[in-house]
Amino acid sequence: EVQLVESGGGLVQPGGSLRLSCAASGFTFSNYWMSWVRQAPGRGLEWVANMKQDGSEKFYVGSVKGRFTISRDNAKNSLYLQMNSLRAEDTAIYYCARSLSMFIYYFDSWGQGTLVTVSS
Amino acid sequence: QSALTQPASVSGSPGQSITISCTGSSSDVGGYKYVSWYQQHPGKAPKLMIYDVSNRPSGVSNRFSGSKSGNTASLTISGLQAEDEADYYCSSYRTSSPYAIFGGGTKLTVL
Repeated sequence: EVQLVESGGGLVQPGGSLRLSCAASGFTFSNYWMSWVRQAPGRGLEWVANMKQDGSEKFYVGSVKGRFTISRDNAKNSLYLQMNSLRAEDTAIYYCARSLSMFIYYFDSWGQGTLVTVSS
Repeated sequence: QSALTQPASVSGSPGQSITISCTGSSSDVGGYKYVSWYQQHPGKAPKLMIYDVSNRPSGVSNRFSGSKSGNTASLTISGLQAEDEADYYCSSYRTSSPYAIFGGGTKLTVL
């Protein structure tokens, strides 16, 4: 069974940093593109970033470019999101999501999410 | 970047059919076959229901179907069941960031 388990969320002050982790199991992690998708409270979904299987390609939504860094450790079956210079508008549940093999912007497995709250 | 446009809410009675629309532009929905739909129950993670406009992943009921005409995609749920009550999000690929853009979501109420 595919499992994605996020951790690392919490309350942080504006300008602060957090590192999210996603532990994957039940599939060959190194074979898949992986993404972070967020959902602000009571709002819709927003794709944040993704990374190729070997880490050689990564893409970001414009609002986080230069502040967030996606990374992965295939030996540990883990995906990460380093978030710096956090803003109130980054407050959201952050989901780790696996891409379908056929197209990297379809997400067929999701974690339960981890809540990030940016507030003073 | 603007989200795709969905109605805020739709409703239907058990056994009926409903359709949720998702309107974009020629730069996303209208330009590619890469349209998908997700179901999200309260407090849960989204679930992929439709991809490539009209394909269903394994395990998704054939009561769910998708289509597209021009810049508007649609999700139809036939034979409504109480368990279908959830939020539904459409998504489309676009060639400039963000490469996956979502709709604002539609709350489906089963009366």
